[in-house]
Amino acid sequence: QQQVKQSPQSLIVQKGGISIINCAYENTAFDYFPWYQQFPGKGPALLIAIRPDVSEKKEGRFTISFNKSAKQFSLHIMDSQPGDSATYFCAARSPPNFGNEKLTFGTGTRLTIIP
Amino acid sequence: NAGVTQTPKFQVLKTGQSMTLQCAQDMNHEYMSWYRQDPGMGLRLIHYSVGAGITDQGEVPNGYNVSRSTTEDFPLRLLSAAPSQTSVYFCASRQGRLSNQPQHFGDGTRLSIL
Repeated sequence: QQQVKQSPQSLIVQKGGISIINCAYENTAFDYFPWYQQFPGKGPALLIAIRPDVSEKKEGRFTISFNKSAKQFSLHIMDSQPGDSATYFCAARSPPNFGNEKLTFGTGTRLTIIP
Repeated sequence: NAGVTQTPKFQVLKTGQSMTLQCAQDMNHEYMSWYRQDPGMGLRLIHYSVGAGITDQGEVPNGYNVSRSTTEDFPLRLLSAAPSQTSVYFCASRQGRLSNQPQHFGDGTRLSIL
C-alpha cells in the first residue's frame, strides 16, 4: 500500500519555466514532509522540508506548498535550470508511536530541464 | 569530510552467493540505516540502527542481516542472494533517532544478482 503517492513519474520543463511535482498522502498523523533531490549516480540529498502547521516554505527557487485539508503537498521550482535535472522524492514522517517512527518515500519524479 | 562512504559501488553476484555491503560514516551519527531503491518503488527501509549494538528491522528485512559493532560502521549482509535482490542499495545516517532530521546518504551500491 503506497501511503505517499507522487506524480508525475517524469517531467520535462523548459529552462526558465516552473516545475511542479505533487504528492498526496493518506495518514493524517504524518508530521514532517521533506523533499529529496537525487542526481544520477549519487544518493538522495535533503532539499527542503515543511511541517503541517505551515502552508508554504520557500528556500531560494524552491518552494513547498502544503494543503493539510486536501492531504497534498507540492514542490515548485521557479526559473528551472538545466542543473535542476534530477530525480525528486517526496517523503512523509510517521511520528514516534510504539517505535513505528519512520519516513515513507514517494516513488520519485524524474525532472529534465531542456534549454 | 567524507560523509557516508559505501563500498563497493558495483557488484554482480550469482544466485545463492553471499556478500557484505560496507557502509561507514565519519560524522559520529547515532542513527544509520539501509534502503533499497527500485524503479517505481521509491526508497524502502531494510534495517536500521539507533546506536552501536542496537539494530532493528525496517519495511523489507527478509534476506538481509545487519550488525553495528561501532558507531562508524553498519554493514549489510546478503545471506543467499536472489534475483529479487537486484537493486541499488543506499546507506544513510543522521545525528538523532528521529527522522525529522536531515539524512545523509551514501552514493549507493548497484547490485545485480544473476
